[in-house]
Amino acid sequence: GQNIDQPTEMTATEGAIVQINCTYQTSGFNGLFWYQQHAGEAPTFLSYNVLDGLEEKGRFSSFLSRSKGYSYLLLKELQMKDSASYLCAAMDSNYQLIWGAGTKLIIKP
Amino acid sequence: ETGVTQTPRHLVMGMTNKKSLKCEQHLGHNAMYWYKQSAKKPLELMFVYNFKEQTENNSVPSRFSPECPNSSHLFLHLHTLQPEDSALYLCASRRLAGEADTQYFGPGTRLTVL
Repeated sequence: GQNIDQPTEMTATEGAIVQINCTYQTSGFNGLFWYQQHAGEAPTFLSYNVLDGLEEKGRFSSFLSRSKGYSYLLLKELQMKDSASYLCAAMDSNYQLIWGAGTKLIIKP
Repeated sequence: ETGVTQTPRHLVMGMTNKKSLKCEQHLGHNAMYWYKQSAKKPLELMFVYNFKEQTENNSVPSRFSPECPNSSHLFLHLHTLQPEDSALYLCASRRLAGEADTQYFGPGTRLTVL
């Protein structure tokens, strides 16, 4: 079967660094997406990885290891506005997204 | 603003009502999606339309009926819903180009079934 696992909730301190992990099992693989979703709002695209390695975009970076079925999202210099849910999704061989349940990130001052 | 709009944003309906959710995308995309999002659960894909043709129906009960009159508009018609159908219903669109293009989401309709 197809499955995505990520932690339900994480807490971090403003200004710190946090890493949100995601493991996946899919029928075929066409890349790994991370989305951010603030409460009551639409999920918004953060990053896409299809090759192994680290992709950096400002304060956010995303890593992929295809052999391990593993990805993480790294958030640096945390700000209060980063409090949100972070959704991991893997794209299968039919280009359909298989979604995790999301990780709720709580930032404390 | 992602270029995908949904109306209404909130809807409360009784189990015997009939209502419709509307989604419109202004991005020139040719694939549109309906998802159901329940608390602490993964996004559930309901329907997929590619070039106005339905290509996916993920074992969704017949009380949900999608309609895609053109590549920019998508509807979800609701009738005789159950309280467990209360959730956030998200519409998304993406460009179909034979590659892994990003899905863009609307803000969702928060549905409550009494």
